[in-house]
Amino acid sequence: QKEVEQNSGPLSVPEGAIASLNCTYSDRVSQSFFWYRQYSGKSPELIMSIYSNGDKEDGRFTAQLNKASQYVSLLIRDSQPSDSATYLCAVWSSGTYKYIFGTGTRLKVLA
Amino acid sequence: ETGVTQSPTHLIKTRGQQVTLRCSSQSGHNTVSWYQQALGQGPQFIFQYYREEENGRGNFPPRFSGLQFPNYSSELNVNALELDDSALYLCASSVDREEYGYTFGSGTRLTVV
Repeated sequence: QKEVEQNSGPLSVPEGAIASLNCTYSDRVSQSFFWYRQYSGKSPELIMSIYSNGDKEDGRFTAQLNKASQYVSLLIRDSQPSDSATYLCAVWSSGTYKYIFGTGTRLKVLA
Repeated sequence: ETGVTQSPTHLIKTRGQQVTLRCSSQSGHNTVSWYQQALGQGPQFIFQYYREEENGRGNFPPRFSGLQFPNYSSELNVNALELDDSALYLCASSVDREEYGYTFGSGTRLTVV
């Protein structure tokens, strides 16, 4: 089992819809969870971090964390074509002292 | 821009050669990590430095080595280059606690021929 798993996609959504991106992780002692956006040919950019169970909202983005299910998700409301990118889930664990990325989900927002 | 600068942006090397990639982090960012990202893959953790000491390493052979300097700069050295080393190499830094997330540099695209 991979340490951090994401569906590679592509996930296609129409403009204005909600995009839902999911991530599961294997290390139960993981403490911090991040979503990065990476445009083609560019480096990852941090868009959300979440540390506690529940939802965290920032503008059009909502991160959701469920530690019991070892699951973290990112919702993008009112999706725009400019949101088309690869979204990387990352998990930091004090157990392994590593910061592990998933392979990313490619999102396409159709105009 | 991000405040994390990498050089060079692109590099072509021959199999068997050695390469040094450089990174300059933001002031106060005591933690720096290096990642390898192959096309279509997520970043793979190479190693991490905190206050000039390596304090974490991924599944990379010893020919991948690094240094961190007091002025918030760092290096990634790769010896005996192999064709599979062709990738985007990313430097990322953070304040003392990496749990707050990283700021990435724009990367160095290494091609080994």
